[in-house]
Amino acid sequence: EAQVTQNPRYLITVTGKKLTVTCSQNMNHEYMSWYRQDPGLGLRQIYYSMNVEVTDKGDVPEGYKVSRKEKRNFPLILESPSPNQTSLYFCASSLIRETPDLQYFGPGTRLTVT
Amino acid sequence: DAKTTQPTSMDCAEGRAANLPCNHSTISGNEYVYWYRQIHSQGPQYIIHGLKNNETNEMASLIITEDRKSSTLILPHATLRDTAVYYCIVRPRFNTGTASKLTFGTGTRLQVTL
Repeated sequence: EAQVTQNPRYLITVTGKKLTVTCSQNMNHEYMSWYRQDPGLGLRQIYYSMNVEVTDKGDVPEGYKVSRKEKRNFPLILESPSPNQTSLYFCASSLIRETPDLQYFGPGTRLTVT
Repeated sequence: DAKTTQPTSMDCAEGRAANLPCNHSTISGNEYVYWYRQIHSQGPQYIIHGLKNNETNEMASLIITEDRKSSTLILPHATLRDTAVYYCIVRPRFNTGTASKLTFGTGTRLQVTL
């Protein structure tokens, strides 16, 4: 089944404790992206990647890191989480060659930083 | 991306057609109209897209006015499982990294009732 998976789905952590949210897709998509969703603010893009070893900042990259060492994986790293990073996070992927492109979303990761 | 305007909320009786309008008066010639939906904090799900012709798939129909300044998403026989927030998005045709960013507004919250 074609899908985007995220882990963990729920995470409660404390300020400053490094964490990684994994994202994996099995559709051989070149493009992957991370979004956060907060009430009243819609989805905002954090980082995106056009292909392996190619990443770039989205609208709200501060406090986040990403890597793209393999085509299927695009982990989101919070080196020193803070309470303002409490949010619902989504990973998405799509083909680049396909125009128009359709993005497939993961199930979401609900992060709480205390 | 062109700005879209949608009603905040709508109700629909189960089994009836749900017609969700969207205004996108500043859409440019190379922009597509996409519809996604999000069911209760799950990952957004692609529904349908179009450029200028009406489109239909197994989920819905999309009617785009001749001047392309507005469109209507039609769920022909709404069920309780269609209760969700529906997002109308206009985006450039080609995936150029940041162009693949999906800018979700607040969408229309559709409540399907018995």
